[in-house]
Amino acid sequence: GENVEQHPSTLSVQEGDSAVIKCTYSDSASNYFPWYKQELGKRPQLIIDIRSNVGEKKDQRIAVTLNKTAKHFSLHITETQPEDSAVYFCAATYNNAGNMLTFGGGTRLMVKP
Amino acid sequence: DAGVTQSPTHLIKTRGQQVTLRCSPKSGHDTVSWYQQALGQGPQFIFQYYEEEERQRGNFPDRFSGHQFPNYSSELNVNALLLGDSALYLCASDSAGGVGEQFFGPGTRLTVL
Repeated sequence: GENVEQHPSTLSVQEGDSAVIKCTYSDSASNYFPWYKQELGKRPQLIIDIRSNVGEKKDQRIAVTLNKTAKHFSLHITETQPEDSAVYFCAATYNNAGNMLTFGGGTRLMVKP
Repeated sequence: DAGVTQSPTHLIKTRGQQVTLRCSPKSGHDTVSWYQQALGQGPQFIFQYYEEEERQRGNFPDRFSGHQFPNYSSELNVNALLLGDSALYLCASDSAGGVGEQFFGPGTRLTVL
């Protein structure tokens, strides 16, 4: 089955700096890669996703890149703000009838004011 | 438009007991997935229900069972509770005919003493 590894496990940046979180996956059949943000005590919320037919997707300060050959994808947050502080999870699945998400272990991002 | 809802919010049980958790999917969604999130870890897929049947199952023992009702709501049952079952149980919904985005509920925090 699919295995997703995520690095780093913790990341501390200064407000205004950029943050990058990286994930690798094992199943070459995976074709949908969402990123979730989970604040303390709250539900995971989808912040951006990418499908295997594109290499990059942007949404304001957030971007995701995908390298299918190397089987890795990354989350980029620019101009970080204190409210970006949370745990971020990457996930992968084969987007067919039944989207069983396999999650990475999470990255705790701390943005210092 | 109501999002995914879950009940109860918190639950405390003792070893050997049985528990039932409930989930109502987002309006327009017909597929419900259950995940277990241990403290400090990423969510792990338990199973998924579609058309009132279990469609996919993760690596969880038979003590974990579920049900989906005609209105698409779902229950997760866990028998013979173990201390290791203590976790946040998340329900996620999406549409079988959709593009794969799963929306999570707030979760049920289960503590087994």
